[in-house]
Amino acid sequence: KAGVTQTPRYLIKTRGQQVTLSCSPISGHRSVSWYQQTPGQGLQFLFEYFSETQRNKGNFPGRFSGRQFSNSRSEMNVSTLELGDSALYLCASSPTGGQGIGYTFGSGTRLTVV
Amino acid sequence: GENVEQHPSTLSVQEGDSAVIKCTYSDSASNYFPWYKQELGKGPQLIIDIRSNVGEKKDQRIAVTLNKTAKHFSLHITETQPEDSAVYFCAALDAAGNKLTFGGGTRVLVKP
Repeated sequence: KAGVTQTPRYLIKTRGQQVTLSCSPISGHRSVSWYQQTPGQGLQFLFEYFSETQRNKGNFPGRFSGRQFSNSRSEMNVSTLELGDSALYLCASSPTGGQGIGYTFGSGTRLTVV
Repeated sequence: GENVEQHPSTLSVQEGDSAVIKCTYSDSASNYFPWYKQELGKGPQLIIDIRSNVGEKKDQRIAVTLNKTAKHFSLHITETQPEDSAVYFCAALDAAGNKLTFGGGTRVLVKP
C-alpha cells in the first residue's frame, strides 16, 4: 500500500514569506502529526490532527498552523518565515487515535529559509 | 514534561558485532516506547516498540529491554550488518497519549 506522501520534497523560501506543506496519510489513517527536525533540537512535535480537529499542540509560535481535510490529508503553514525555521518537516500518520502509536513517517519536506 | 536522553550520540561497530543504545526517561507514567531508524534522505521508520507492561521484546536481530524502576530502555542489535548504519531514535509516550518525546538520536556506523 502507498506510504505517507509529503510534498514538496524541497523548498527554498525568503525570510518573511509564508509556506504551505502537504501530507497525504496512508489510506484509512485518520491521525496526522507534524514534527520539525533540526540538527540542534532533534525531533520536535508541532501538532496532531484527528478527524479534522487539532487534538494536540507542541510549543511552537502561532506562526505555525495546520489543518486537516475530510479525506485526512493535512497541510501545515508557516507564516513570516525566519532563518531558524529551516528544517526537515516530517508528518506521520497513525491508524489509531493515540498519538505516536504505530506511526508511519513520510520522507519529509526540507525547507530552507534564506 | 517528559525528557528523554539517549546515549551514545555516535556508535561505530565492526560488522558482526553487537550495538547497544540506551535511553532514560523522566516521566514514570510513560507507557509506550518506540524505536525508529532513519536512513539518509528518509523519514524515521518504526523498527520495534515496547509497552510498559513488558520487560523485553525481540524481533530477529533487534531487541528492546525496559526497566521501569530505573526508567531506562535499551535497543540491542546483534550481528550488525552495513545496512544497519543509520540514525536511531528512541521515544517515550506520556500516559495520556498526548505527546511523544524523542531522544537526541544515535548515529550508528557499521564498518565492513
